[in-house]
Amino acid sequence: DTAVSQTPKYLVTQMGNDKSIKCEQNLGHDTMYWYKQDSKKFLKIMFSYNNKELIINETVPNRFSPKSPDKAHLNLHINSLELGDSAVYFCASSQEGGLGMNTEAFFGQGTRLTVV
Amino acid sequence: LAKTTQPISMDSYEGQEVNITCSHNNIATNDYITWYQQFPSQGPRFIIQGYKTKVTNEVASLFIPADRKSSTLSLPRVSLSDTAVYYCLVGDMNSGYSTLTFGKGTMLLVSP
Repeated sequence: DTAVSQTPKYLVTQMGNDKSIKCEQNLGHDTMYWYKQDSKKFLKIMFSYNNKELIINETVPNRFSPKSPDKAHLNLHINSLELGDSAVYFCASSQEGGLGMNTEAFFGQGTRLTVV
Repeated sequence: LAKTTQPISMDSYEGQEVNITCSHNNIATNDYITWYQQFPSQGPRFIIQGYKTKVTNEVASLFIPADRKSSTLSLPRVSLSDTAVYYCLVGDMNSGYSTLTFGKGTMLLVSP
């Protein structure tokens, strides 16, 4: 059973299009995340979301919007795609714990987005 | 946020022990140290996490000195399959991963 799954794995699209990437976790975690890994391999957090709060990285353009229909899903919608949006996008989830507890994030296999 | 510094790359041979050191001079009292491994075309995978002294699991050991300004990930007897990028993260686990930053990581290349 896949813990965190994202679809599609590859996405090629033209500039200006709107696309969505879906993410589901079956771990019962209360927090989910979206990360972007660019061509230089830097892994940057874009959003984190639990049923209480959406935390947005201020550097993320408002063309990117997370949508969470329920606790197990956090989809990423991107409007008006640009060439610079080409990257690998990773979904992750974790169960927030207190001090003394291992807090492990589980990542999906990634979605390679190519904007042409 | 605590900033981390790691070597960009390391080379090793099969069967050797590999130690990757991460510097985090401005680590805060509530911060934990966490290491992740990432293979090409895959998402990062949790390796180990610690607060002080030494932590060991079936995969690796994590050594943290008393001042906690650095930490060392130790991989015993590496194999070719340990070739990957290793990330050191430092942050307050009370906030989950919302405030944690993945640095550039260390690219470990294991050769036969």
